[in-house]
Amino acid sequence: EAEVAQSPRYKITEKSQAVAFWCDPISGHATLYWYRQILGQGPELLVQFQDESVVDDSQLPKDRFSAERLKGVDSTLKIQPAELGDSAMYLCASSLRKGATQYFGPGTRLTVT
Amino acid sequence: QKEVEQDPGPLSVPEGAIVSLNCTYSNSAFQYFMWYRQYSRKGPELLMYTYSSGNKEDGRFTAQVDKSSKYISLFIRDSQPSDSATYLCASQGANTDKLIFGTGTRLQVFP
Repeated sequence: EAEVAQSPRYKITEKSQAVAFWCDPISGHATLYWYRQILGQGPELLVQFQDESVVDDSQLPKDRFSAERLKGVDSTLKIQPAELGDSAMYLCASSLRKGATQYFGPGTRLTVT
Repeated sequence: QKEVEQDPGPLSVPEGAIVSLNCTYSNSAFQYFMWYRQYSRKGPELLMYTYSSGNKEDGRFTAQVDKSSKYISLFIRDSQPSDSATYLCASQGANTDKLIFGTGTRLQVFP
């Protein structure tokens, strides 16, 4: 069964350092999402891509976060500089098209020290 | 006030019990309602998907949506230890892909 792949699974970094996460969606899925899940809370959408274009990045803290999906397939989410409050699980999801079911990857757990 | 409210639990039940998990929402524009299951250190997995009001059944799981009271429920019959996980309700508007999640309810089913 096809799955969303994410790496790394765990990342520990010091505050003010740069960190990057990678996501490979299910093959053929045009829509890709990055969510952030703080411990004890539900996921919150950071950014949505349709192919290589950003559809919604209204909740992305653009002063320190950036996301790209250059060829409309895999995607990278970057944080620079990382802050203590960025400690969370970063989840990638993909769907076949806009409005279709979203399938989540295993997530990257980030700890900022 | 959060758009989707969910009791975080934890909820602890014996094996075989009927489990009731609930959420309330405040946005009348929500049209789609989902339940995701999330095991520890894993991503959420879609369990049930409901459009507008009504019931939907899938094996031991039943999802209910009452739009008049803005109430979402998930029932698990004959609960098993393997059902132990965090259950997240999510809502979605008609013209957006953005899922609004509750905080999740942690369920523990003991043998």
